[in-house]
Amino acid sequence: GENVEQHPSTLSVQEGDSAVIKCTYSDSASNYFPWYKQELGKGPQLIIDIRSNVGEKKDQRIAVTLNKTAKHFSLHITETQPEDSAVYFCAAPSGSARQLTFGSGTQLTVLP
Amino acid sequence: DTGVSQNPRHKITKRGQNVTFRCDPISEHNRLYWYRQTLGQGPEFLTYFQNEAQLEKSRLLSDRFSAERPKGSFSTLEIQRTEQGDSAMYLCASSSVSGAGNTIYFGEGSWLTVV
Repeated sequence: GENVEQHPSTLSVQEGDSAVIKCTYSDSASNYFPWYKQELGKGPQLIIDIRSNVGEKKDQRIAVTLNKTAKHFSLHITETQPEDSAVYFCAAPSGSARQLTFGSGTQLTVLP
Repeated sequence: DTGVSQNPRHKITKRGQNVTFRCDPISEHNRLYWYRQTLGQGPEFLTYFQNEAQLEKSRLLSDRFSAERPKGSFSTLEIQRTEQGDSAMYLCASSSVSGAGNTIYFGEGSWLTVV
């Protein structure tokens, strides 16, 4: 099955700085990589995803890059704001239904 | 589109009691998933349905857990004879299989505390 590793587990940045979270995966057949943001007491919210036919995707201050050769993908948040503070999870598909296997999460804290 | 709806949002129960959670997926989503999440961990897959058929179960889904999706719409997850180790957030998610892929949307979760 798929194995997803995520780093770092915690990340503190100053407001306005950039944040980068990295993930690696094991199944070379995986072709879809979503990122979720989870606030305290809430369910994971999909914020961006990338499919294996592209190397980078941007949505305003958020971008994701994918390196299929190295089997890693990264989340980039620019111009961070306090409301970006949350736990971020990467994921990759596995199993017959391509259900998601999640990384262990990154607690991002944006300091005002 | 009201998103994935789960209830109850919080449940406190005594050890040994049964509990049931309900999930209403995004309308017309044919796939429905159940995940479990404990503090400090990512969600872990439990089981999924395509329409009314339960097609895959994780080894995490012990005999005390049962899930149904009788009409291919809402789903229930029942835990019998609850144990303290069952305390967790139970997440429901849904997706629509299409040519664009399998984007999965989560509900807000149901918190279970077993005392």
